[in-house]
Amino acid sequence: KNQVEQSPQSLIILEGKNCTLQCNYTVSPFSNLRWYKQDTGRGPVSLTIMTFSENTKSNGRYTATLDADTKQSSLHITASQLSDSASYICVVRVDNYGQNFVFGPGTRLSVLP
Amino acid sequence: EAQVTQNPRYLITVTGKKLTVTCSQNMNHEYMSWYRQDPGLGLRQIYYSMNVEVTDKGDVPEGYKVSRKEKRNFPLILESPSPNQTSLYFCASRPTGPNEQYFGPGTRLTVT
Repeated sequence: KNQVEQSPQSLIILEGKNCTLQCNYTVSPFSNLRWYKQDTGRGPVSLTIMTFSENTKSNGRYTATLDADTKQSSLHITASQLSDSASYICVVRVDNYGQNFVFGPGTRLSVLP
Repeated sequence: EAQVTQNPRYLITVTGKKLTVTCSQNMNHEYMSWYRQDPGLGLRQIYYSMNVEVTDKGDVPEGYKVSRKEKRNFPLILESPSPNQTSLYFCASRPTGPNEQYFGPGTRLTVT
């Protein structure tokens, strides 16, 4: 069964600190992996997208990594800001003709002053 | 401004009363989808459409209908809503190819 797991479920850090969120997936056939940021009450917004051949992708203070062999991805946030408080969702697209996206449950990040 | 819009944003209704949630995108995207988001479960796809008059079931289609008569609109229809359809609903669109999805702002539905 195609599945995406994320850890931790929630995380609290102080402003200015770094953190790393984890994503493990069992999805086949794999097409790409995306990280989304979802502010409370808003729709998800894409941060990064990585294909099978890419192992790292940065977007400002956000850096995503992908290990296709172990089927693991991480999202590293550097020098966190209060505006980083949100849910971060890992999404894997299944490589088929349809629109099959498998969503993780998300990690809820709270950045405190 | 390129965007996906949904209406209404909030809706409280009673069991069995038919409702429609509208979704519209102004980016000329071929693909559109509906998702529901429930605590601890992540987003689950309800229905998707790859182009006008082409729709298909996602992972949780029971109790929902969709139509795609125009490229820009993809309404979600609940013929007879039930309390287990209380959820946060998102519409999304994307162009052809391995491109990112653009999500609407969400519709919070409560069925009593």
